[in-house]
Amino acid sequence: KAGVTQTPRYLIKTRGQQVTLSCSPISGHRSVSWYQQTPGQGLQFLFEYFSETQRNKGNFPGRFSGRQFSNSRSEMNVSTLELGDSALYLCASSFGQPTDTQYFGPGTRLTVL
Amino acid sequence: AQTVTQSQPEMSVQEAETVTLSCTYDTSESDYYLFWYKQPPSRQMILVIRQEAYKQQNATENRFSVNFQKAAKSFSLKISDSQLGDAAMYFCAYRSRRNTGTASKLTFGTGTRLQVTL
Repeated sequence: KAGVTQTPRYLIKTRGQQVTLSCSPISGHRSVSWYQQTPGQGLQFLFEYFSETQRNKGNFPGRFSGRQFSNSRSEMNVSTLELGDSALYLCASSFGQPTDTQYFGPGTRLTVL
Repeated sequence: AQTVTQSQPEMSVQEAETVTLSCTYDTSESDYYLFWYKQPPSRQMILVIRQEAYKQQNATENRFSVNFQKAAKSFSLKISDSQLGDAAMYFCAYRSRRNTGTASKLTFGTGTRLQVTL
């Protein structure tokens, strides 16, 4: 079974631009969660989508948004990029029940110049 | 809110030896999961082991085992017969087991970097 895939793997943007990251979950998984990883803040939860609906949200500004499609693929968008948005963005998928384990993708490394 | 603390930023172990990574957590909930994830230089987060809080028996996965002390809110990872491929960043994580939207959120510790030497 194929794992979680994320595209692109690397991205360089400049301040003020916007960016869209994509995550394809493991086949059959309906939940996709997004995390931001930085040296200073560590791993922080952004949000979770389940069956095309945002089910949970972390403490990030409205510049961070996401959506999920009917095939469970998810996209994350960051508008008006700031230098502090430079991070590794990880997505994780699961079937969506509290008993399920989340499996992570390889991440997208975003650099904001 | 739940918090997870890993007090060892770095640890080192010789190949074939045993090492224990520490993790403590704080929660008011009684039903939850605890995890150890490994992040090698490739940055892919890999699940090492999972523990259900309602199970008293400590989880084991081959060379990896945990010491779960619920009353003390402690969850340590023991790696036996360490191998070069075990070198990575290890994260302890907490997740609620409640059947609500919040159950999807993993709360991570700051990580422990494990070096394996010859």
